[in-house]
Amino acid sequence: RKEVEQDPGPFNVPEGATVAFNCTYSNSASQSFFWYRQDCRKEPKLLMSVYSSGNEDGRFTAQLNRASQYISLLIRDSKLSDSATYLCVVNSPGAGSYQLTFGKGTKLSVIP
Amino acid sequence: EAQVTQNPRYLITVTGKKLTVTCSQNMNHEYMSWYRQDPGLGLRQIYYSMNVEVTDKGDVPEGYKVSRKEKRNFPLILESPSPNQTSLYFCASSFKTGVSYEQYFGPGTRLTVT
Repeated sequence: RKEVEQDPGPFNVPEGATVAFNCTYSNSASQSFFWYRQDCRKEPKLLMSVYSSGNEDGRFTAQLNRASQYISLLIRDSKLSDSATYLCVVNSPGAGSYQLTFGKGTKLSVIP
Repeated sequence: EAQVTQNPRYLITVTGKKLTVTCSQNMNHEYMSWYRQDPGLGLRQIYYSMNVEVTDKGDVPEGYKVSRKEKRNFPLILESPSPNQTSLYFCASSFKTGVSYEQYFGPGTRLTVT
């Protein structure tokens, strides 16, 4: 089983739509979780950290379900500028560990 | 401006010719890391460093070396590049908040080995 798994998409949605991405992780001891955004041929950029209680930043909401080992990202009122690949990232545990495992990403295209 | 810089941004080289990709950050971050990104495989960690003179292997370290002699610099060395190392490489630095690491990536280096 892959460590971090995402639906690759692509998700093609109209402007204004709500879209949700899910990501599952295999290591139940994982401690921290993130969503990154990557535009074509550019570096990934941190979108949100994901906290156990869930967190929201404007149109973006992230949720963590430790029991089921999945993370979700909800984007409301999609904009053309939201078109990108969204990467789920999980921190592998261990004393002093700095190993981050990336999902392969979910591609989103927002259509006019 | 807070940033991670990488050089060169683009490099075409031949098999076996040693090369170094530099990475520098000006944010005084303790943690630095190198990744490669390939189509269908996503981002994979090559090496990481948790402090000066402290480095460790990531998921795909074979064929690579790193060093961390200064806090701000973390060069990636390919002693004898091979075509399967053709890839897009990203350097990243981060600070730790609790159990979380917020990473900042460099702009990437596109390497082609012929």
